[in-house]
This record gives sequence, structure tokens and C-alpha cells, in this order.
Amino acid sequence: QVHLVESGGGVVQPGRSLRLSCAASGFTFSIYGMHWVRQAPGKGLEWVALMSYDGRNKYYADSVKGRFSVSRDNSNNTLYLQMNILRDEDTAVYYCVKGMRTMVPNGGDAFDLWGQGTMVTVSS
Amino acid sequence: DIVMTQSPDSLAVSLGERATINCKSSQSLLYDSNNKNYLAWYQQRPGQPPKLLIYWASTRQSGVPDRFSGSGSGTDFVLTISSLQAEDVAIYYCQQYYTLPPLTFGQGTRLEIK
Repeated sequence: QVHLVESGGGVVQPGRSLRLSCAASGFTFSIYGMHWVRQAPGKGLEWVALMSYDGRNKYYADSVKGRFSVSRDNSNNTLYLQMNILRDEDTAVYYCVKGMRTMVPNGGDAFDLWGQGTMVTVSS
Repeated sequence: DIVMTQSPDSLAVSLGERATINCKSSQSLLYDSNNKNYLAWYQQRPGQPPKLLIYWASTRQSGVPDRFSGSGSGTDFVLTISSLQAEDVAIYYCQQYYTLPPLTFGQGTRLEIK
């Protein structure tokens, strides 16, 4: 069965850092672009970041550019999101999401597999 | 950025009746070279992550009941549920994947039973 399992969420003070992980299983991780999408409490969906299947291309939402960094380890089927200089408005459930198409180098994609999400709360 | 606007924000439909949700993009999502619309629809039930229903504007994801259908092209798209079931109570989102960054979603449409 295909699965994405996020971890690393928690409560953190503004200005501090947190690293999220996403463990993938049941599919060939290395041929799919992987994304982070977040959802603030009671709000809609916001795309955060994409890392292409081969790790060559990374893209970020303006709201996190310069503070967040996405990476992946294809040998261990894991996606990461390093979040620095956290702000109150970063409070959200963070979903690890799989792109639908294989080997898309730098294009957008629909999302055909979502993890259950990990909650990040930024509060003093 | 491509802005996605859904209407209505909320909708109440009787069981067995048709539900229609609209999605409008600020620019065309039709890619001329392959004649595909880069538009997806998702369902998010309470307490659950979103689930892909439709991609390429009208292709149903595997396992999605055939009462769900997508239509439209260019900038105007529609998600239709032909006969509403109780389990269809959810928030529905459209998403463009024509260009990034950013990939963008509509604000969501809450569907309830009348």
C-alpha cells in the first residue's frame, strides 16, 4: 500500500526552527516530484514547496521563500522541510504530497497521494 | 500568480439531487501543445486530508464514483455530483497546475445536505 507519513510537528516559539520529515512507502519515490501543502486552522489549502523528482529543482511560495528549505533523500524515500524563522502565520497542518506524474522536471502537477499531516503551532 | 475563484462558497443540496461547483481561473489553464487543461478537483472530508477526484479537468481518478464529473476548458470549470450521497459532505477545492510557483487552490466550497 502507498503511504506518506509526516513527523516532526509540534509547538515552537516565533523565530525558532523546526524540521519536518515525510516517509514514503509503496511507490518508487525517486521518480515523483514531492510537495508540501499546508492548511491553517479552519482555512483553505496553501501550496508551500516542491522538490523535483531528481532534486535539481526547488520552488517555494513567496510566503516561505528564504525561510523554508525543501530537500529529499531518494535512497531512504524521505522528504524534508526545514522551517526557519517561524512566524505565527506559519501555524498549520503540513501535508506531504505526491505529484501525480512521473519525472516532471520543473512543472506543476496534481496531487494524487496525501499524508495525514503534522501540526505545527508557532506561539510564544 | 494564477488566482482561482470558486462559487458558491457554500452549498446545500438534498440527497439524490445534483450539486454543481464552479471554478474560474484568472488565466487560461489550457496548454496548446497537448490540448490539456491543467485543473484538478479535490474533496476534503472533515478531519481528513484532501483526496484527488478529477485531473486534466475531466479525468476521474481511479476509484472515484462516476457520480463525480468535471467539465470546462480555458478559464471556466465545473465539478458536478449527479446524485448527492451523505458521504459527499465535504469541502471541495479546485487547483491549477499550469504554472508555478505558486501552485494555487480555490478558496473551497462547503457542501452540505439540505
